[in-house]
Amino acid sequence: DAKTTQPPSMDCAEGRAANLPCNHSTISGNEYVYWYRQIHSQGPQYIIHGLKNNETNEMASLIITEDRKSSTLILPHATLRDTAVYYCIANTGTASKLTFGTGTRLQVTL
Amino acid sequence: DAGVIQSPRHEVTEMGQEVTLRCKPISGHNSLFWYRQTMMRGLELLIYFNNNVPIDDSGMPEDRFSAKMPNASFSTLKIQPSEPRDSAVYFCASRQFTSGEKLFFGSGTQLSVL
Repeated sequence: DAKTTQPPSMDCAEGRAANLPCNHSTISGNEYVYWYRQIHSQGPQYIIHGLKNNETNEMASLIITEDRKSSTLILPHATLRDTAVYYCIANTGTASKLTFGTGTRLQVTL
Repeated sequence: DAGVIQSPRHEVTEMGQEVTLRCKPISGHNSLFWYRQTMMRGLELLIYFNNNVPIDDSGMPEDRFSAKMPNASFSTLKIQPSEPRDSAVYFCASRQFTSGEKLFFGSGTQLSVL
């Protein structure tokens, strides 16, 4: 898996958009960008993934730069329940192992 | 579907005892993963299976740890003998090959070795 770099922590006001960056400058052409989150004391939860195009689902949007060296996970209207550690992972998505880094701890405040 | 089911939810044992953690993956999923999480080391992959066959066990810390998957609906992670440094939360996860790396995690087993 390509190395990913994320800020250790971020704050966001409730109701505002949370934009979580991830750098993956050495990502290869066949590696997807996956995002997971882990709410305190729970197992990680899949959020979204993408290869080249921007993606959106009911949880979040994923914006990948044209050169694919970085991406941003967007939670459009953050709530207190979005407080969690967010992990960005680069992986080929071919039934291989998934390795988690240290992630970004997002704190959503009133 | 009930999701990935792990048992027990909490386990407290004494050093030297055998510990067995259990996992039931989501029906129809082809892969199963065991992870361990501590404050110091974060979330570490211990081992994963594809179609009940162990594919990569390079994360298993030492011979005291063993994992089995006798069938598609059940897996165990055994620690014998247990040591205080094994205290951690152990997560099991499963996925379908066709869904790429979309893993579904269980609620974890909080293990405390005294």
